[in-house]
Amino acid sequence: ETGVTQTPRHLVMGMTNKKSLKCEQHLGHNAMYWYKQSAKKPLELMFVYNFKEQTENNSVPSRFSPECPNSSHLFLHLHTLQPEDSALYLCASSQVGGLHEKLFFGSGTQLSVL
Amino acid sequence: AQSVAQPEDQVNVAEGNPLTVKCTYSVSGNPYLFWYVQYPNRGLQFLLKYITGDNLVKGSYGFEAEFNKSQTSFHLKKPSALVSDSALYFCAVRDRSNDMRFGAGTRLTVKP
Repeated sequence: ETGVTQTPRHLVMGMTNKKSLKCEQHLGHNAMYWYKQSAKKPLELMFVYNFKEQTENNSVPSRFSPECPNSSHLFLHLHTLQPEDSALYLCASSQVGGLHEKLFFGSGTQLSVL
Repeated sequence: AQSVAQPEDQVNVAEGNPLTVKCTYSVSGNPYLFWYVQYPNRGLQFLLKYITGDNLVKGSYGFEAEFNKSQTSFHLKKPSALVSDSALYFCAVRDRSNDMRFGAGTRLTVKP
């Protein structure tokens, strides 16, 4: 148990659906992240939130919409996705305060877009 | 921009033999280097990190990594592999922008 919980574990959706991924951290951290993991590709950093403020958006398509209502919760809202968006979506958290800080990851949501 | 490269998609070793998983990095300024492991159906778990100091860093589960500035490498090593070490291993780098950038991962298979 890493202290970072993601739901759901698996999600299958059509291209016209709207769904949301949820992440919750119980570690008292002040930064949260969304990463996309595709086979044989580097993990892609999608969004970063520090103290609930979005500090990075790595040219992610607008069909992905993050929300961070407080420092413990992070959402990724999905709409009109494409099949190439199928991947494992990982949430992570850390305590911002130094470059030595490690990330704590959830188990991920395996997303399949049909 | 900082980046890491993991040149091997797959590494196979026999149980009891030493293992090495390779990583090279590119970063401006001093590098902050990390190794993470991912077991099936799990998120990434921290193994070890290099910030400053000794070039040989020891981490969890008997793993260690050697920082080599001249070769810009940070290879992960273990003297004697276990079947339970079979997993996906990720090298990562962080610089002053504070973002953690990961490699593509190397799948380690340890055969009995």
